[in-house]
Amino acid sequence: SQTIHQWPATLVQPVGSPLSLECTVEGTSNPNLYWYRQAAGRGLQLLFYSVGIGQISSEVPQNLSASRPQDRQFILSSKKLLLSDSGFYLCAWSKRRGETQYFGPGTRLLVL
Amino acid sequence: AQKVTQAQTEISVVEKEDVTLDCVYETRDTTYYLFWYKQPPSGELVFLIRRNSFDEQNEISGRYSWNFQKSTSSFNFTITASQVVDSAVYFCALIFYNTDKLIFGTGTRLQVFP
Repeated sequence: SQTIHQWPATLVQPVGSPLSLECTVEGTSNPNLYWYRQAAGRGLQLLFYSVGIGQISSEVPQNLSASRPQDRQFILSSKKLLLSDSGFYLCAWSKRRGETQYFGPGTRLLVL
Repeated sequence: AQKVTQAQTEISVVEKEDVTLDCVYETRDTTYYLFWYKQPPSGELVFLIRRNSFDEQNEISGRYSWNFQKSTSSFNFTITASQVVDSAVYFCALIFYNTDKLIFGTGTRLQVFP
């Protein structure tokens, strides 16, 4: 069966510091991968998605970037965090576009 | 516009009551999929159901049932005989055929009291 991992689970960072969140998927190959952000009390917003190694599509222009260095690894980064980057970041995978997306446990980021 | 509306921000019920969570969507596409996810306090989104736009048959899974009506663009979710463990935020979502972006509603927080 497939499992999806995210780390760290919780992160507190000062404004202006860098960020690296990692997501890995086990039990499947060539998945589509996604990064979503959930701001407090709001729905989820798609940030980036990837259909293959090195292929990244951005949905929302912002302070963040994503990379996919390996087939089942997806990384969310920032060079300098802003207060507005605080939120709950969820990684997801699917077999193909349009199919069910399965979510990881999430990372809670607080920028102070 | 393509959007998902969950007008109920919070619902409170007492255990064993039935509760219906509403979801209304807007789209001009004919091929799409609708989803419900559950987000317990731990935060992880748990997939509950996926329904394609050509299948209006209602579905029942244990205490859960879903009513899809294309004529009213609604995909409502009913929990029968609610339990405390059903307390969570429930999200309705929409994705178009052969695309990557799940469009989420803002969620409904369900609190079930003993």
